[in-house]
Amino acid sequence: AQRVTQPEKLLSVFKGAPVELKCNYSYSGSPELFWYVQYSRQRLQLLLRHISRESIKGFTADLNKGETSFHLKKPFAQEEDSAMYYCAPPLTGGSYIPTFGRGTSLIVHP
Amino acid sequence: KAGVTQTPRYLIKTRGQQVTLSCSPISGHRSVSWYQQTPGQGLQFLFEYFSETQRNKGNFPGRFSGRQFSNSRSEMNVSTLELGDSALYLCASSSLGGRDEQYFGPGTRLTVT
Repeated sequence: AQRVTQPEKLLSVFKGAPVELKCNYSYSGSPELFWYVQYSRQRLQLLLRHISRESIKGFTADLNKGETSFHLKKPFAQEEDSAMYYCAPPLTGGSYIPTFGRGTSLIVHP
Repeated sequence: KAGVTQTPRYLIKTRGQQVTLSCSPISGHRSVSWYQQTPGQGLQFLFEYFSETQRNKGNFPGRFSGRQFSNSRSEMNVSTLELGDSALYLCASSSLGGRDEQYFGPGTRLTVT
């Protein structure tokens, strides 16, 4: 089975502060994980995926197999980063049910 | 490319009724998934269709069903609506499913009174 958990429902920081949104996974096989973001009144969209190893809008996420984590980080938060963030596994079919994390609401104060 | 579209965007139904939601994926995408989004539960996976076949199903009662047509468009049906079915229903498409990125629609807001 594959499952991701996001322990924080809400993360509140000030502009310019570092941000780390936590995601832990339990996985059988080779993990493939995503971060999706939902800004206010916009649709859910991909932020980044671990296999691409990109930095999007200043965010990075490294897969740590030892800690089974895929935390999302940004060194200096901006007000426009305020959104709902979801950690997600892939769709892989069979008896596995792809379970998104419950989401973390990030609020960046001016 | 046009994005994923969902119709209708808003729906109000009463308990006991049934409802059908529609999703048009991005052109060329063959995988369509459905999710229920609520403030308390986040995104809950309903099912995934690929080439007109249900490939995966979440832990929802049999009142929730779906289908996919040959043009990859998908519908989701909920019968005997309950108050707890009030939610935002999201559709997502991807090229082949699996480890591909999912593209989400704007959702259909269902309110059951």
